[in-house]
Amino acid sequence: QGQLVESGGGVVQPGGSLRLSCTTSGFTFSTYGMHWVRQAPGKGLQWVTFIRSDGSSTYYADSVAGRFIISRDNSKNTLYLQMTRLRPDDTAVYYCVRGMGLWGLGTLVTVSS
Amino acid sequence: EVVMTQSPLSLPVSLGQPASISCRSSQSLEYSEGITFLNWFQQRPGQSPRRLIYKVSNRESGVPDRFSGSGSGTDFTLKISRVEAEDVGIYYCMQGTHWPYTFGQGTKLEIK
Repeated sequence: QGQLVESGGGVVQPGGSLRLSCTTSGFTFSTYGMHWVRQAPGKGLQWVTFIRSDGSSTYYADSVAGRFIISRDNSKNTLYLQMTRLRPDDTAVYYCVRGMGLWGLGTLVTVSS
Repeated sequence: EVVMTQSPLSLPVSLGQPASISCRSSQSLEYSEGITFLNWFQQRPGQSPRRLIYKVSNRESGVPDRFSGSGSGTDFTLKISRVEAEDVGIYYCMQGTHWPYTFGQGTKLEIK
């Protein structure tokens, strides 16, 4: 079935950077496209970014394009999200998602001074 | 980007009664070869979302058959034939046809 475990969340000042990781197990990571989806406190879901199974293509929401970079290491079965120039409105739980069918528990990112 | 509009945003339903959620997109979600990437998700209180329906009408493994999806083009519907207590939560539609993917605002289902 598979498991996704996000890590790397925390409190960061506006303008700062953070790198999230998503460690996967129980499935062949290298054959799946992967997403990050976020949810601000008390708000709805927002799709953030996607990377193809081989890393050949990436897509971003307009709100994060140019600030966030999605990447993956198929040898380590791990997905990453490098976040830079963070803003208070980036505060959210960030979910790692396999093809939209399998979700992790999320990691909370708080951008605050 | 494609705007997804759900209605209603709040849905009080009595146990055992049917429920229906509408989702409309600002442009057609039909991909080439007649495939439409429209998903429905359920988020129970305090839990991660889980996908109920993919490609308009296909139920995920383990999803009760009281959940059904239908629609085409720009108009889609999630129906619950008989609401149970465990169905309380927020339901989201999401399109995966056009980049960037986009979600609806969410519909909060509660027991009346």
